[in-house]
Amino acid sequence: EPEVTQTPSHQVTQMGQEVILRCVPISNHLYFYWYRQILGQKVEFLVSFYNNEISEKSEIFDDQFSVERPDGSNFTLKIRSTKLEDSAMYFCASKVAGGLNEQFFGPGTRLTVL
Amino acid sequence: DAKTTQPTSMDCAEGRAANLPCNHSTISGNEYVYWYRQIHSQGPQYIIHGLKNNETNEMASLIITEDRKSSTLILPHATLRDTAVYYCIVRVVGSSNTGKLIFGQGTTLQVKP
Repeated sequence: EPEVTQTPSHQVTQMGQEVILRCVPISNHLYFYWYRQILGQKVEFLVSFYNNEISEKSEIFDDQFSVERPDGSNFTLKIRSTKLEDSAMYFCASKVAGGLNEQFFGPGTRLTVL
Repeated sequence: DAKTTQPTSMDCAEGRAANLPCNHSTISGNEYVYWYRQIHSQGPQYIIHGLKNNETNEMASLIITEDRKSSTLILPHATLRDTAVYYCIVRVVGSSNTGKLIFGQGTTLQVKP
């Protein structure tokens, strides 16, 4: 069964460093998402991406964040200068075209900022 | 998207049906009810969705009241692997909608042997 994959599973970085989180969505999916979950808190929407552009972003997704689909398979989230409060699980999700279709989530990347 | 209210936690005996309620009293006519679950910090997993009719799939059943102000997710024979946080999400579906999901705190279901 096709699945969303994410790498790395765990990333440790120093405050102020740039990180890139990688996702490979399911191949025929057209909508892509990033969510994050700070330990013990709820899952929060960050950004949605469709047709090679951001379709919606939350207040969390400020100028430090960017997303890219550099080729036909990868979908990346870049944090330019990490802060301690960026420590969280980051989940990528994708879905096919059509409003009713469910989102498929990856296993997540745990980001730890020291 | 309409706000949902769920109990913080519930217990269920293994092999019994788990009935998870959700209130969405401000739901509008074009909003669907979706259920996802998250097993121990894994990525959320889609379970089922519905508009106004009851729905069933291989994982669960969804019962939506006639006035659509509340719904119940039913896991017919809960197993220990069903221990998870269950999220009820109400969202508009349409071409102008990006499909983002807004998660609440959900219900932590503990299935006990």
